[in-house]
Amino acid sequence: DGGITQSPKYLFRKEGQNVTLSCEQNLNHDAMYWYRQDPGQGLRLIYYSQIVNDFQKGDIAEGYSVSREKKESFPLTVTSAQKNPTAFYLCASTGDRGPSGYTFGSGTRLTVV
Amino acid sequence: QKEVEQDPGPLSVPEGAIVSLNCTYSNSAFQYFMWYRQYSRKGPELLMYTYSSGNKEDGRFTAQVDKSSKYISLFIRDSQPSDSATYLCAMRQVAGGTSYGKLTFGQGTILTVHP
Repeated sequence: DGGITQSPKYLFRKEGQNVTLSCEQNLNHDAMYWYRQDPGQGLRLIYYSQIVNDFQKGDIAEGYSVSREKKESFPLTVTSAQKNPTAFYLCASTGDRGPSGYTFGSGTRLTVV
Repeated sequence: QKEVEQDPGPLSVPEGAIVSLNCTYSNSAFQYFMWYRQYSRKGPELLMYTYSSGNKEDGRFTAQVDKSSKYISLFIRDSQPSDSATYLCAMRQVAGGTSYGKLTFGQGTILTVHP
């Protein structure tokens, strides 16, 4: 079945470490997105990419970095510059210019210890 | 002011009740409107989408859009315990050229339907 796979499901990071969250899709979608979800704040856009080797900052890009070397993959690195990284991270993709929205992965819960 | 404001709830209703979830928005460029359901520690799943004012029905769910008032609603009839989840409204501008457009989400409403 086609879908989006995020890994790991749970991730623990020590202060000062960089960590990378994986997102892979086999839907042949062009556009991919990273969102952060905190209680009571909905989903906030971190980075998005509409084509391989190109990506744009979203609303809260500081302390994060991404790459898009392959159509199927859009990894997110949470750097030590991100002051409050504990959150639920969601990856999404779409191949549709119309109204039908995104397909989401199942998320990665990142906790700083 | 946020572009999308969602009634935060939380809501707790008895089984069989009619539930109303609401969002307002300020950006007139939003043309596509969606409702997502999210179970705990899972990714959101698309429930319904619409792009015109009026009502759209799918089983027990009705999505309503009023573009003149910049207001959208989701109604759930005969609510069930399995409907307990977080509901998120989302909106998108018309995608043009190579732009697929990004979604702007409301804050989410936690719904609990108790037996």
